[in-house]
Amino acid sequence: DGGITQSPKYLFRKEGQNVTLSCEQNLNHDAMYWYRQDPGQGLRLIYYSQIVNDFQKGDIAEGYSVSREKKESFPLTVTSAQKNPTAFYLCATLDAGQGYGYTFGSGTRLTVV
Amino acid sequence: AQSVTQLGSHVSVSEGALVLLRCNYSSSVPPYLFWYVQYPNQGLQLLLKYTSAATLVKGINGFEAEFKKSETSFHLTKPSAHMSDAAEYFCAVSDPSGGKLIFGQGTELSVKP
Repeated sequence: DGGITQSPKYLFRKEGQNVTLSCEQNLNHDAMYWYRQDPGQGLRLIYYSQIVNDFQKGDIAEGYSVSREKKESFPLTVTSAQKNPTAFYLCATLDAGQGYGYTFGSGTRLTVV
Repeated sequence: AQSVTQLGSHVSVSEGALVLLRCNYSSSVPPYLFWYVQYPNQGLQLLLKYTSAATLVKGINGFEAEFKKSETSFHLTKPSAHMSDAAEYFCAVSDPSGGKLIFGQGTELSVKP
């Protein structure tokens, strides 16, 4: 089945450490997105990529970095510069042929202690 | 700029009662509109979408929404709530610059037995 795989489901890190969240898709969608979700704040866009080797900052890119070396993969690194990294992170792809709806992965819950 | 407002961060209904979740949007161009549902610690799942065809859109799990241009609204309804409908619901509008979705803050639906 086609879909988006986010791993791991739960991630714990010590403060000051960088951590990379994985997002892999086999939907053949060109565009990929990273969102951060905090209680009561909805979804906030971190980074997005519409084609391989290109990406743009979203609304809250500070303290995060991404790469897009392959169409299938869009990893997100949470750096030590991110002041409050504990959150639920969601990866999504865009199917432009279906009215621009997103398909979401199941998310990674990051806890920094 | 596009924006989405969901009225009510929490809505509680009794099982069998009508579900009404409100969404108003602002958009400079005819929008694509979406409703997503999220169960705890999971990604978002598409319930339904409006892409300028019929103004009354039917989705999964018995939900439907009506696009009302004059009211800039896209409210989500279900005639009879079920316990399994308890979740968080997000309304979203497409960004006309391409690709991105703008999400509302979410409405948590509780269903009482």
